[in-house]
Order: sequence, then C-alpha cells, then structure tokens
Amino acid sequence: DQQVKQNSPSLSVQEGRISILNCDYTNSMFDYFLWYKKYPAEGPTFLISISSIKDKNEDGRFTVFLNKSAKHLSLHIVPSQPGDSAVYFCAASAVSGAGSYQLTFGKGTKLSVIP
Amino acid sequence: DTEVTQTPKHLVMGMTNKKSLKCEQHMGHRAMYWYKQKAKKPPELMFVYSYEKLSINESVPSRFSPECPNSSLLNLHLHALQPEDSALYLCASSHRGGGGVGSSETQYFGPGTRLLVL
Repeated sequence: DQQVKQNSPSLSVQEGRISILNCDYTNSMFDYFLWYKKYPAEGPTFLISISSIKDKNEDGRFTVFLNKSAKHLSLHIVPSQPGDSAVYFCAASAVSGAGSYQLTFGKGTKLSVIP
Repeated sequence: DTEVTQTPKHLVMGMTNKKSLKCEQHMGHRAMYWYKQKAKKPPELMFVYSYEKLSINESVPSRFSPECPNSSLLNLHLHALQPEDSALYLCASSHRGGGGVGSSETQYFGPGTRLLVL
C-alpha cells in the first residue's frame, strides 16, 4: 500500500516557466512533509518542508502548498531553470511505533527543464 | 552546515567478503539512518538509531549489521552479501529521532556509497 504517491513519473517544462510537482498521501498521521531533489548516483538534497499546521511555505523560487483536507501537496518552482532538472521526491513524516520519526517517500518525479 | 559524509564512495565486493560502510555528521544530530536505494526507486529505510540506540530495524537480513559507536558516527557492516544487494546505500541524520517539532525531523542525506556485489 503506497502511502505517498507521485502520480507523474516525469514532467517537462520550458526554462523560465513554472514547474508544478504534485504529491498525494493517504495516512492522516503524517504531520510533516518534505521535498528532496536528487541527481543520479547522489544522495537526496533537502529542498523545502511544511508542517501540517501550515498551508504554504516559501523559500526563494520554491513554494510548497499543503491541502490537508484533500491530502495533497504540491511544489512550485518559478522561474524554472535548467539546473532544476533532477528527480524530485515527496516525503512525509510521522512518529513510528518505536517513537522515532520515519520518512515515507513517493516514487519521484523526473523534472526536465528545457532551455 | 548540513553535511553528512559517507565513505567509501564506491565499493565492489565478492559474496564472501566482509566490508564496512561509514557515515559521519557533526551537526549534533541525535538520530541517524541507513537507507538502501535501487535505480529509479525511492530510498527504503533499513535502520534508525536514536540517541545511539537502535530503534528501528525494518526486517533487514542479518548480513547487514549496523553499529553506532558514538553520536557522530554510523557504520554498516556487510558480510556474505548477494548480488541483489547491489544498490546505493544512503546515510541520513536528523536533529532528533522523535518527540520534537516537525522541523527537527528534517533528514539530511549523505552522498551515498555505490555498492556492487559480484
């Protein structure tokens, strides 16, 4: 059962335009959400996060929106740049039975920004 | 500084070898994690250490043995691996392993060790 879903495996966007990456989740216990960017053969790089008590968080070109009632979040990148081309993972966090926080990842969306 | 370092960067080993992966962070984080990632898949959690104690073992085979010598270091000892264990092994750390506010649970990842088992 996939608790975090990224339904678009890939997305192509023209340089300078907005990139919108989407993520849906099913577990109501998730209380913290993160976006990571990953290049091939490298570790994921933390981009931006949002707590479940907020509906928007902005950091430079990156904005994350959370719609708790729809169990949906999205990452907006504007303007998109060729260097943004990477795989983007959505992740959600909840306290496990052992008392530790665990991240559950989506399968990722490969973003290609075309010059 | 949000740096997590991992050594070695690449490792090739035979099925009878014993090797170790190392991870280090100096951010004062008290939770450390091992993940395994196969190509075109998300990272899969293997182990969680919280305050140097193993708190989660996601049913990982015993040929993988984690060790946390102190709050800055995390090792993964490998023995008698199978070719299907070939993957990118990622270490991560977070401020604390539980009981904090959301932002303290942000996990920062190292660059990974690319492991090939022959």
